[in-house]
Amino acid sequence: EAAVTQSPRNKVTVTGGNVTLSCRQTNSHNYMYWYRQDTGHGLRLIHYSYGAGNLQIGDVPDGYKATRTTQEDFFLLLELASPSQTSLYFCASSEGTGVYEQYFGPGTRLTVL
Amino acid sequence: GDSVTQTEGLVTVTEGLPVKLNCTYQTTYLTIAFFWYVQYLNEAPQVLLRSSTDNKRTEHQGFHATLHKSSSSFHLQKSSAQLSDSALYYCALSGNTRKLIFGLGTTLQVQP
Repeated sequence: EAAVTQSPRNKVTVTGGNVTLSCRQTNSHNYMYWYRQDTGHGLRLIHYSYGAGNLQIGDVPDGYKATRTTQEDFFLLLELASPSQTSLYFCASSEGTGVYEQYFGPGTRLTVL
Repeated sequence: GDSVTQTEGLVTVTEGLPVKLNCTYQTTYLTIAFFWYVQYLNEAPQVLLRSSTDNKRTEHQGFHATLHKSSSSFHLQKSSAQLSDSALYYCALSGNTRKLIFGLGTTLQVQP
């Protein structure tokens, strides 16, 4: 079974702060994704990647940067955090697209004061 | 554009009774796959069902769904709801792009 881990699990920062969320998957999946989950909005795709060094823009990218340093590691960066970015963030990975499912990490709860 | 619609934000059902969660879609993709993801409280989403074959029933953990391209639907059903089925359910579409298109989700509450 796919193993996706995220760190930290909880993070509190202040407005204007700098935050990095980390995601690691250990199943050699090519595809990795960052989502945010908010009540009433479901899961929204922020950025995704289909390989080391590759980055694709998702549906809600404003205020976020991402970097895929290796096949295993995908980072989400908030350089000037705002209260609107308070959310539950999920990382996911998949072997491919189409019929391949995405495996989600446990999530990071971010609070921006 | 391509979209997935889950019409109910909340479905409440009594334990032992049947339940149906609706999912319809719009897409221009020729080759598509569909998923139902389930998210239990304080857990991550996980796949419950998947299908890419028209008019073929797929089943898992007592739930079933059939992709009907003629009506653009992939409804989730169970004949007898259990308390442990209470969760958030997402319907999702996978087309020719590298991402899933999720519906907004339906919370299922099963009451005694």
